[in-house]
Amino acid sequence: GEDVEQSLFLSVREGDSSVINCTYTDSSSTYLYWYKQEPGAGLQLLTYIFSNMDMKQDQRLTVLLNKKDKHLSLRIADTQTGDSAIYFCAESYGGYQKVTFGTGTKLQVIP
Amino acid sequence: GAVVSQHPSWVICKSGTSVKIECRSLDFQATTMFWYRQFPKQSLMLMATSNEGSKATYEQGVEKDKFLINHASLTLSTLTVTSAHPEDSSFYICSASRGRGTGNTIYFGEGSWLTVV
Repeated sequence: GEDVEQSLFLSVREGDSSVINCTYTDSSSTYLYWYKQEPGAGLQLLTYIFSNMDMKQDQRLTVLLNKKDKHLSLRIADTQTGDSAIYFCAESYGGYQKVTFGTGTKLQVIP
Repeated sequence: GAVVSQHPSWVICKSGTSVKIECRSLDFQATTMFWYRQFPKQSLMLMATSNEGSKATYEQGVEKDKFLINHASLTLSTLTVTSAHPEDSSFYICSASRGRGTGNTIYFGEGSWLTVV
């Protein structure tokens, strides 16, 4: 079955860049997502990338995809304290199918 | 604004009672909705796939008689936790698919926090 793994914790200083990494096993994944979950809140879709893309940039967010290594990363430039949250990577086969989530990475931003 | 709405956001119920959580797609029809559960400090796990007009498809290890799913219309799916126990306390979240073929067409509800006392 599908397996999506992430490191559990990342701590960065405010203003620095954060890089959150994710590996997945399902080579048939066609969509890869990054979600943000703040304490006590629901999920917020940050960005997504199609599997035929290598990179996607959206303001402070840069997603890199290495399909050969099944590695996905999310770079947050100029990290702010408001970026402190848990970040989930996720994958699906087809944009309308069930989503398989990673274990989540807790990002702590130190002022 | 939200395109998938869940209600209630927070619910506390007594052990042994049943509680219903609603998931609504607000401005589109969703033939398929998904229900997930998240235990504290863990990831989200798919519980079941809810199909309009037919029985839900449950993931392995999820008790279908305990977690009743009804998808009676194209805009509403409900999850009923029957005979709730404290170990059912969790964050439940639904998602709905809007159209096909593009990556941003899976919308999640705000989630529902269930506490069973």
